Amino acid sequence: DQQVKQNSPSLSVQEGRISILNCDYTNSMFDYFLWYKKYPAEGPTFLISISSIKDKNEDGRFTVFLNKSAKHLSLHIVPSQPGDSAVYFCAASQEGGGADGLTFGKGTHLIIQP
Amino acid sequence: DAGVIQSPRHEVTEMGQEVTLRCKPISGHNSLFWYRQTMMRGLELLIYFNNNVPIDDSGMPEDRFSAKMPNASFSTLKIQPSEPRDSAVYFCASSPGGTRGREPQHFGDGTRLSIL
Repeated sequence: DQQVKQNSPSLSVQEGRISILNCDYTNSMFDYFLWYKKYPAEGPTFLISISSIKDKNEDGRFTVFLNKSAKHLSLHIVPSQPGDSAVYFCAASQEGGGADGLTFGKGTHLIIQP
Repeated sequence: DAGVIQSPRHEVTEMGQEVTLRCKPISGHNSLFWYRQTMMRGLELLIYFNNNVPIDDSGMPEDRFSAKMPNASFSTLKIQPSEPRDSAVYFCASSPGGTRGREPQHFGDGTRLSIL
């Protein structure tokens, strides 16, 4: 039973355009969400996060949107650059949950085409 | 600053052998996590330590897996005996700790384990 779902295994976007990566979750207890970026042969690196008390968080070219009623969040990258080509993981955590670890989606492979 | 350091980077061994994966967290971080990544299941949390104490090991697949954290700067994940289905990339991560899940975790580059 996957609690965090990234339904697009891959996404191809032209350089300079907007990349939109989507994530859905089923556990209504999740109240903190993070996006990680992963290059081959490296560990995931933290990109941006959002608390459930907000619906938007922006950091430079990266913006995360949260729609709690739909249990959906998205990561927008604009403009997309070649260095953005990587696998992006959505992750979630819950206050008072049994583990302080994160629940990850399976990732979306973003490919930025020149 | 040194990040999370994992060793070895790659391990190939035969079924039935004992495997030990090692992790050095970032200095000053109080929380340490072990994850496993497979194609089928993605990234899964195996076990979590806070101040060297195992807090939640509900993700450990079975008794063949064990993890220790003898001090704040070292942790091991051991598989004995190993099986081909244990083949995966194992990640260690650490965070400052304190606020539950609110501080980003910093990941090592992983150990790619292949059990023949």
